[in-house]
Amino acid sequence: DAKTTQPPSMDCAEGRAANLPCNHSTISGNEYVYWYRQIHSQGPQYIIHGLKNNETNEMASLIITEDRKSSTLILPHATLRDTAVYYCSPVGVRSGGYQKVTFGIGTKLQVIP
Amino acid sequence: DSGVTQTPKHLITATGQRVTLRCSPRSGDLSVYWYQQSLDQGLQFLIHYYNGEERAKGNILERFSAQQFPDLHSELNLSSLELGDSALYFCASSVDGRGTEAFFGQGTRLTVV
Repeated sequence: DAKTTQPPSMDCAEGRAANLPCNHSTISGNEYVYWYRQIHSQGPQYIIHGLKNNETNEMASLIITEDRKSSTLILPHATLRDTAVYYCSPVGVRSGGYQKVTFGIGTKLQVIP
Repeated sequence: DSGVTQTPKHLITATGQRVTLRCSPRSGDLSVYWYQQSLDQGLQFLIHYYNGEERAKGNILERFSAQQFPDLHSELNLSSLELGDSALYFCASSVDGRGTEAFFGQGTRLTVV
């Protein structure tokens, strides 16, 4: 399984962009990069995923480096409700065609008023 | 609301006992995943079922077992409980388990006393 490294914590001012990095240098060619977040002790919430190209949806943007060894999740205008733990997770389709979704410790993002 | 239902929400039991946690996936989802989250820890992947069959196993103790029934709901059985088993247990579901996003329930908080 690909290993991920994320900073344990980050602060961001409300209204500013939050850029959350993830290193996944051992990611294999068929593994997607997924991002989830967990607000307090609620169930994690899917944010976005990508394989090679940058992706954007209504929640965030995902920038993946050309060598795919790292990625950055961007929350363009952070609000207090974005305070959460953000998990980066490589997800691949394994032999037999099934995925195993695993998570590291994540980054605790604190949005400051 | 993710559409994934977990029951019960809270459970307090004594050491040595056995409990069953239940998960109803989103309508149409064939994959169910179970995770354990101890205090201030990341999400530990336990096991993945697809359409009734076990597909991937993580660090699941031998005292723990799971199954997915024909109606696709899943149960996680925890036996000979120890204090260290106190944790949040999350269930997630996805459409096919082939690299699609997972939707998480709100978890069952298990306290072993």
